[in-house]
Amino acid sequence: RKEVEQDPGPFNVPEGATVAFNCTYSNSASQSFFWYRQDCRKEPKLLMSVYSSGNEDGRFTAQLNRASQYISLLIRDSKLSDSATYLCVVTLYGQNFVFGPGTRLSVLP
Amino acid sequence: NAGVMQNPRHLVRRRGQEARLRCSPMKGHSHVYWYRQLPEEGLKFMVYLQKENIIDESGMPKERFSAEFPKEGPSILRIQQVVRGDSAAYFCASSTVSYEQYFGPGTRLTVT
Repeated sequence: RKEVEQDPGPFNVPEGATVAFNCTYSNSASQSFFWYRQDCRKEPKLLMSVYSSGNEDGRFTAQLNRASQYISLLIRDSKLSDSATYLCVVTLYGQNFVFGPGTRLSVLP
Repeated sequence: NAGVMQNPRHLVRRRGQEARLRCSPMKGHSHVYWYRQLPEEGLKFMVYLQKENIIDESGMPKERFSAEFPKEGPSILRIQQVVRGDSAAYFCASSTVSYEQYFGPGTRLTVT
């Protein structure tokens, strides 16, 4: 089993749709979790950290389920500019950062 | 506050030459990470450094690759005797103790 797995994608959704990405991790001791987005041939950009209580930033909501070892990202009211690859990241005390393979999202007009 | 800076942005080397990639972290950040991304593949962790210390190099190939983050100056990723398979985008990221990493624009290495 891979350390971090994500929905294979790609996801093609119309503007305004709600889309959810899931990510599972294998190391139950993992401590910190993040979502990044990466546009084609660009550097990853931090989208949000994921906290145990869940957190929201505008149209984006992240959830963590430690018991089931998965994190999720929900995007509401999708915009064309949300088209990118979404990466989940898992780390143990700042070491052993593992990026998931990413899920590609295309928001269509 | 300037972001993470990397140079050069593009680097072309012939097989057998050395490649030196530089990374200046964001101001106030003392943690530096290096990643490699092959075309159409995901990011692979290489090494995690703090000033003058290598904290985790579990992702570094055992030979030809080395990294440092000296007390003064940028972090350096060095690849000796490059081969075609080293062609990739190399990203550097920096963070504070919160581990939220901010990435530089990357160096695209092409080995001919």
